[in-house]
Amino acid sequence: GENVEQHPSTLSVQEGDSAVIKCTYSDSASNYFPWYKQELGKRPQLIIDIRSNVGEKKDQRIAVTLNKTAKHFSLHITETQPEDSAVYFCAAWTTGFQKLVFGTGTRLLVSP
Amino acid sequence: GAVVSQHPSRVICKSGTSVKIECRSLDFQATTMFWYRQFPKQSLMLMATSNEGSKATYEQGVEKDKFLINHASLTLSTLTVTSAHPEDSSFYICSARATSGSRSSYEQYFGPGTRLTVT
Repeated sequence: GENVEQHPSTLSVQEGDSAVIKCTYSDSASNYFPWYKQELGKRPQLIIDIRSNVGEKKDQRIAVTLNKTAKHFSLHITETQPEDSAVYFCAAWTTGFQKLVFGTGTRLLVSP
Repeated sequence: GAVVSQHPSRVICKSGTSVKIECRSLDFQATTMFWYRQFPKQSLMLMATSNEGSKATYEQGVEKDKFLINHASLTLSTLTVTSAHPEDSSFYICSARATSGSRSSYEQYFGPGTRLTVT
């Protein structure tokens, strides 16, 4: 089945810096890749997603890139703010098994 | 739009008892709902996929007789933790996929989660 790896597990940056989180997946049939932000005790919130027919997508300070050949995708956050501090999860939708497989999560800490 | 509710938000029960958690899609129909479990500082682990009107599909290692799932309508799925033990204490989150319409069929809408503590 699908396996999603995520790095780094923790990331500390200064306010205003950029943050990059990387994920790799194993199932070449996966075709949808969402990113979620989760604050402590809360539900995951979709922040951006990308489908396999697109290489890059941007929404204000957040962007996602996808390399289907290498089977990896990345989240880029620019001009980070303290309120960006949270745990971020990548995920891959497997068309064969019809389910989302989540990465292990990245704890992002943005210091003022 | 695309609101999913869960009830209760928190529950404390004694070991050996059963607990039912409800997941509702409030403003859309969901043929498929998913149940996840999340332990502290860990990722979301899929427990089962629930399809309206049919039996749930459980992930490997999840006991179907212990975690009973009922998806009786297009807006409601329930998870019952039977004979709960302290190791079942966790954050249980449901999600729902829209059946059709303008909403993306890929996107999952998550409920707020249920914090279960078994004493």
